Amino acid sequence: SQQGEEDPQALSIQEGENATMNCSYKTSINNLQWYRQNSGRGLVHLILIRSNEREKHSGRLRVTLDTSKKSSSLLITASRAADTASYFCATDSTGTYKYIFGTGTRLKVLA
Amino acid sequence: DVKVTQSSRYLVKRTGEKVFLECVQDMDHENMFWYRQDPGLGLRLIYFSYDVKMKEKGDIPEGYSVSREKKERFSLILESASTNQTSMYLCASSLPGLGQGTQYFGPGTRLLVL
Repeated sequence: SQQGEEDPQALSIQEGENATMNCSYKTSINNLQWYRQNSGRGLVHLILIRSNEREKHSGRLRVTLDTSKKSSSLLITASRAADTASYFCATDSTGTYKYIFGTGTRLKVLA
Repeated sequence: DVKVTQSSRYLVKRTGEKVFLECVQDMDHENMFWYRQDPGLGLRLIYFSYDVKMKEKGDIPEGYSVSREKKERFSLILESASTNQTSMYLCASSLPGLGQGTQYFGPGTRLLVL
């Protein structure tokens, strides 16, 4: 499996519920990022968490990072129909310019 | 406001044609990237550039080349398009340096090779 794998692959929830997505990775990182992609569009950066941080908040988003388990989670609270999108985690590899993206979690929020 | 633009949203080409995909950013970023996105495979890095005239191969460079003559412009070239290069192509840019974080993406070019 490749670096930066999201789980679950797809998630369907009702508006107002919370959505949690997970990301696992394999190698040491400087930072981990989460992106959103609306259907057929480019990716939009949501939040970046550095390897020495454990939790970060931005509006309705909460990201955690556990470097010992090489995993991260993205929590979207009080979801809205507009949150319907695919969500990707991206990790850099220490010492490189590359970012590796996972295959994404498709979130559907039902009104 | 940060902006990355790509020359076409949709493109249809014939097998064997030479295809140019252009990407322009207005943020004075040193780093620029080309990815392709396919269902079930996520984003895969084709090439990246960390300075003018500098380029490095990504994970899937075969069948592609790139050009970076100016800082703001990064071109992806399909020397002889093939049907397996039908895909969504995404360009991105970021600040210089290793692990500098946020990548800014263009809207993507959906390429169909017949």
